[in-house]
Amino acid sequence: QVQLVQSGVEVKKPGASVKVSCKASGYTFTSYDMHWVRQAPGQGLEWMGWINAGNGNTKYSQKFQGRITISRDTTASTAYMELSSLRSEDTGIYYCARHLPELDPWGQGTLVTVSS
Amino acid sequence: QSVLTQPPSVSGAPGQRVTISCTGSSSNIGAGHDVHWYQQLPGTAPTLLIYANNYRPSGVPDRFSGSKSGTSASLAITGLQAEDEADYYCQSYDNSLSGVLFGGGTKVTVL
Repeated sequence: QVQLVQSGVEVKKPGASVKVSCKASGYTFTSYDMHWVRQAPGQGLEWMGWINAGNGNTKYSQKFQGRITISRDTTASTAYMELSSLRSEDTGIYYCARHLPELDPWGQGTLVTVSS
Repeated sequence: QSVLTQPPSVSGAPGQRVTISCTGSSSNIGAGHDVHWYQQLPGTAPTLLIYANNYRPSGVPDRFSGSKSGTSASLAITGLQAEDEADYYCQSYDNSLSGVLFGGGTKVTVL
C-alpha cells in the first residue's frame, strides 16, 4: 500500500536548522509531486511548498522563501524538507503529502520543537 | 484576497445533518480550481475525505458529500455520528499565490 514514513521528533535551539525526511513506498516515487505542510500547536494547516520528485523543481510559499529547501533522493524514494534560522514560532508538526492533485496520503507527521 | 474562509466550529446532535462552508475568491475556487476536503481526527495526521469537489475515496462513508458553486464549496455530513468529531479542512489552489491554499479549519462537535 502507498505509505509515507517520516523521521522522528526533533528538538532544536533558535537559529539552528532542521531537516525532516519522508520515505515513500508502494508507488513510483518520481511520478508524483510531494508537498510539505506545517501545523502549529492548536492551529490549522499551512502549506510550505512542494517538489516535483521527477525533475527536482520546487515551489515555496512566500512565507518560507529564503529559509526552506525541499529536496529529494530518488534512489531512496525520500523527500526532505530543511528549514533554517529556526525560531520559537516554527514549533509544530511537519507533514509530507503526495500530490495527486489532492493530497493523499499524508505522512504521520514530525514534531519539531524550537526552544532555548 | 488569497484565503479560504471556514466557520471555526459547527455542532449537531447524533443523526443530524451539518454543513461546513469554504468561501474563496476569483483567484482560487472561482478560477475553477478543484476543492478537496480533509478530516483530522484528534492527535492524527489529516486524511483525504473528498476530492475534486464531490468525489469520495474508497472507504469514506456516503454520509460525507461535497459540492462547489462559484467561489464557494461545502461539505455536508448527514446522519452525524460520534466518530465524526474532528477538524475539517478545505483546500484548493490559488493563482495569485501560485500555490496551495488551506481553509482555517472547522471543528465539528457531536452533542
